Amino acid sequence: SAVISQKPSRDICQRGTSLTIQCQVDSQVTMMFWYRQQPGQSLTLIATANQGSEATYESGFVIDKFPISRPNLTFSTLTVSNMSPEDSSIYLCSVVDRVDEGYTFGSGTRLTVV
Amino acid sequence: LAKTTQPISMDSYEGQEVNITCSHNNIATNDYITWYQQFPSQGPRFIIQGYKTKVTNEVASLFIPADRKSSTLSLPRVSLSDTAVYYCLVGELMKTSYDKVIFGPGTSLSVIP
Repeated sequence: SAVISQKPSRDICQRGTSLTIQCQVDSQVTMMFWYRQQPGQSLTLIATANQGSEATYESGFVIDKFPISRPNLTFSTLTVSNMSPEDSSIYLCSVVDRVDEGYTFGSGTRLTVV
Repeated sequence: LAKTTQPISMDSYEGQEVNITCSHNNIATNDYITWYQQFPSQGPRFIIQGYKTKVTNEVASLFIPADRKSSTLSLPRVSLSDTAVYYCLVGELMKTSYDKVIFGPGTSLSVIP
């Protein structure tokens, strides 16, 4: 399976600022997925990032708030902009290396906004 | 989109077999069923995937009845390290990815010594 390195692992940020989360995969993948997991909750898909095209956002998520870059087949970033305490969550990136092995997830970025 | 329903929590003693059932009444013809395990402070980890009947790997078994409206994840002889949240997902398998996948609420399994 693919190995994902996600940075930072955690951060505490002031409201109104922005944080960029990096996701590096050790193999080339077509799509990369960004999820949010609020405290005690399940995972919610934010957007799907294809290399060379605009990310596709799920209902309730917009590009101005969560801009995504996908400059090549092994890397993506998610920015959480103009943060508020409600953005405090774990953010995870994932890929599908082989469909018979499901999603592979990074270890996540635990974000606390104060 | 096929939504899933699972028990919110389960308790089990070490060494017992644990069966977690997931309901997905509106599963579509092209949908596969996948189970994930998530430990605290980690991302979910793939356990097993199936389309129909029974699938077994070194970690678990997955039982899917003929109508595919439910599935059961079976964990043999659980240990304390199996304490985690287990998610059932239903979605269409694409060539390089999945489509229309929704994570349900998950089942929090606590294994007791």
